[in-house]
Amino acid sequence: NFMLTQPHSVSESPGKTATISCTRSSGSIASNYVQWYQQRPGSSPRVMIYEDDQRPSGVPDRFSGSIDSSSNSASLSISGLKTEDEADYYCQSSDGSNWVFGGGTRLTVL
Amino acid sequence: QVQLQESGPGLVKPSETLSLTCTVSGDSFSSYYWNWIRQPPGKGLEWIGYIYHSGSTNYNPSLKSRVTMSLDTSKNQFSLRLSSVTAADTAVYYCARAAYFGELFDYWGQGTLVTVSS
Repeated sequence: NFMLTQPHSVSESPGKTATISCTRSSGSIASNYVQWYQQRPGSSPRVMIYEDDQRPSGVPDRFSGSIDSSSNSASLSISGLKTEDEADYYCQSSDGSNWVFGGGTRLTVL
Repeated sequence: QVQLQESGPGLVKPSETLSLTCTVSGDSFSSYYWNWIRQPPGKGLEWIGYIYHSGSTNYNPSLKSRVTMSLDTSKNQFSLRLSSVTAADTAVYYCARAAYFGELFDYWGQGTLVTVSS
């Protein structure tokens, strides 16, 4: 099994851009789609990005996803930060047999 | 509108078996992967396993020896059984749907807290 490693926390100011990374420990990041979920306290996770860079309807275009094969990582970027973006964010991918989640990143907007 | 709702005991004794059911409304079971995911208090998400609409299953290797999932299509329900529980199994348990293997979980239940304690 592989692991997805995320920074424990990211802090940024309102109006700025925050970027959260997700590094795959083995196997190519490009071999399986990456999804990103937002989880606010007391709520179920909500998908913000799927298939590496696709936004579900209803997700603001301030949210974008990408993958970088050179660093074997995926990234979630949130531009024009708002206080409502403060939440935990999880990346998720698979290896053909199992779904795997990253450890999560606490985004603080201050 | 698809809705998932977990149900089951909120307290389980150590060494016993945790049993949860997820009731699905607003859609059929066809062509979906039905998953269980858990989150210990203050920690991250852990995928437990899935049962496909055909009844085939796949479990997280770290839990495989203790997990059983089943399906009741007549009731639009699927279930989780986790045996020999310890305090480390205390978590919020979510059920969630995925249309394609390895891809997004598009619908989630609200989650149910299960505490393992004597």
